[in-house]
Amino acid sequence: EAQVTQNPRYLITVTGKKLTVTCSQNMNHEYMSWYRQDPGLGLRQIYYSMNVEVTDKGDVPEGYKVSRKEKRNFPLILESPSPNQTSLYFCASSFQTSGSHEQFFGPGTRLTVL
Amino acid sequence: DQQVKQNSPSLSVQEGRISILNCDYTNSMFDYFLWYKKYPAEGPTFLISISSIKDKNEDGRFTVFLNKSAKHLSLHIVPSQPGDSAVYFCAASTTNSGYALNFGKGTSLLVTP
Repeated sequence: EAQVTQNPRYLITVTGKKLTVTCSQNMNHEYMSWYRQDPGLGLRQIYYSMNVEVTDKGDVPEGYKVSRKEKRNFPLILESPSPNQTSLYFCASSFQTSGSHEQFFGPGTRLTVL
Repeated sequence: DQQVKQNSPSLSVQEGRISILNCDYTNSMFDYFLWYKKYPAEGPTFLISISSIKDKNEDGRFTVFLNKSAKHLSLHIVPSQPGDSAVYFCAASTTNSGYALNFGKGTSLLVTP
């Protein structure tokens, strides 16, 4: 089944404790992206990657890191999480040449930073 | 600055009637527009899209209309069904800016029996 998977689905952590949210897709997509969803703000892009070893900042990259060592994986790293990073996070992927610009989304990771 | 705006946070429609969800945008460089549907505890799922060179795209019960001069698009659902109850996000992208999707804040649609 074609899908984007994220782990963990739920995470409660404390300020300053490094964490990684994994994202994996099995559709051989070149493009991958991370979004966060906050009440009243919709979805905002954090980072994206056009292909392996190619990453770039989205609209809200502060406090986050990403890496793209393999085509299928795009982990999101929070080196020193803070309470304002409490949010719902979505990973997405698509073909680079997708005519409809459609992105496939994972199920989401709900992160709480205390 | 929000480049894609959905000014109605919620909409309630009776089953069988038409649902019309609206979206406005400010960036004239957007060349693709998409609608996503989101159920609680799930990721957004793609519904329908339209290129800026078209003014209408239809897929079954779903039709998207684009008015470029007004920088406005709308999603029509006919007939509405209870299973359509979800949050609908409008999104826009430009081919030249890495396919990033700029999302609106979403409209929560409730279809009542």
